[in-house]
Amino acid sequence: GAGVSQTPSNKVTEKGKYVELRCDPISGHTALYWYRQSLGQGPEFLIYFQGTGAADDSGLPNDRFFAVRPEGSVSTLKIQRTERGDSAVYLCASSLTGFGGEGTDTQYFGPGTRLTVL
Amino acid sequence: GESVGLHLPTLSVQEGDNSIINCAYSNSASDYFIWYKQESGKGPQFIIDIRSNMDKRQGQRVTVLLNKTVKHLSLQIAATQPGDSAVYFCAENINGYSTLTFGKGTMLLVSP
Repeated sequence: GAGVSQTPSNKVTEKGKYVELRCDPISGHTALYWYRQSLGQGPEFLIYFQGTGAADDSGLPNDRFFAVRPEGSVSTLKIQRTERGDSAVYLCASSLTGFGGEGTDTQYFGPGTRLTVL
Repeated sequence: GESVGLHLPTLSVQEGDNSIINCAYSNSASDYFIWYKQESGKGPQFIIDIRSNMDKRQGQRVTVLLNKTVKHLSLQIAATQPGDSAVYFCAENINGYSTLTFGKGTMLLVSP
């Protein structure tokens, strides 16, 4: 079946510009996660949605980063006033129920969006 | 595409050998562990997981071992194939929290 999809696959922008990255989770998955992966590193958690709400945004590095999931399906990660240090692969994952309580289930990752800030 | 494996520990094996990839995790409160495989230009792919009430779990050609005493996790791949070449990450989670914390990763190179 269809997995997690992310668009665009590559995004090149100039310092100071605004970018939006899109994630389409697996159908029926209520939990959605954003991670950021720098070259040679493991993914780092940014934000977790349970349904429409951001249940944990503790990984967002600063207020230039924001994410939404208005209908509990597609999510958009928004980065304002991009900086060269924002260059990385941005990964999205989804899981059926999310973590917490009795529910600890597998996160399935998309292919990522490679963001390059010049 | 650009490799995610630069500057990572590397394990080089011959096709058909058994591979063992190790991971030291950081948080003694972690109770759920996952191994992911990441090929160049792709997102991490789930391989196998284990909960802290177990010390061993087997899948198809893969085995995960957990030693909570020394906070160590290992992934064993039997009869390694060239298609197993990738970067392997362990990840840990604390029940009740949403965050997966990933380790640094190990690049596995399999020669035919």
